[in-house]
Amino acid sequence: EPEVTQTPSHQVTQMGQEVILRCVPISNHLYFYWYRQILGQKVEFLVSFYNNEISEKSEIFDDQFSVERPDGSNFTLKIRSTKLEDSAMYFCASSALAGSTDTQYFGPGTRLTVL
Amino acid sequence: AQSVTQLDSQVPVFEEAPVELRCNYSSSVSVYLFWYVQYPNQGLQLLLKYLSGSTLVKGINGFEAEFNKSQTSFHLRKPSVHISDTAEYFCAVRVPGAQKLVFGQGTRLTINP
Repeated sequence: EPEVTQTPSHQVTQMGQEVILRCVPISNHLYFYWYRQILGQKVEFLVSFYNNEISEKSEIFDDQFSVERPDGSNFTLKIRSTKLEDSAMYFCASSALAGSTDTQYFGPGTRLTVL
Repeated sequence: AQSVTQLDSQVPVFEEAPVELRCNYSSSVSVYLFWYVQYPNQGLQLLLKYLSGSTLVKGINGFEAEFNKSQTSFHLRKPSVHISDTAEYFCAVRVPGAQKLVFGQGTRLTINP
């Protein structure tokens, strides 16, 4: 069964450094998402992406963050100048369609630790 | 804005016992409702969803949920749990036309033999 994959599973970085989290969505999906979960808190939406453009983003997704689909298979989240409060589990998701009834399929997550 | 509250952060039950995981939501508009499950070291997997129609929704692995509009609830139930049901369960809502899912804080279900 097709699944969303994410690398690395755990990333440790120093405060102020840039990190890139990578995701490979399900191959025929067209819509891509990033969510994050700070330890002990809710899973929060960050951004959705379609046709090489951001289609929706939350207040969390400020200029520190960017997303890109650099090729036909990868979808990345870049965090510039990481802060301690960026430590969280980051989940990538994809869906075939953008309709709000369509299922979003999630990857296993990347745990980001900022020291 | 929408919000989701899962009233229990942890629920321990014995194997073969019934379980109910509670979810309440707040929204000024109609929403679609979802339950996801996360097994250890895996991504969130859709258990079931309510879009419209019958308020009782059946999902995978023997789970079902009932939408109650007057109580703004969408509780998840299973009549007899197995050790393999040990996981974290997330309730979520989505507004028609929007792309983001709004999640509750999750309920950790622990099955004791």
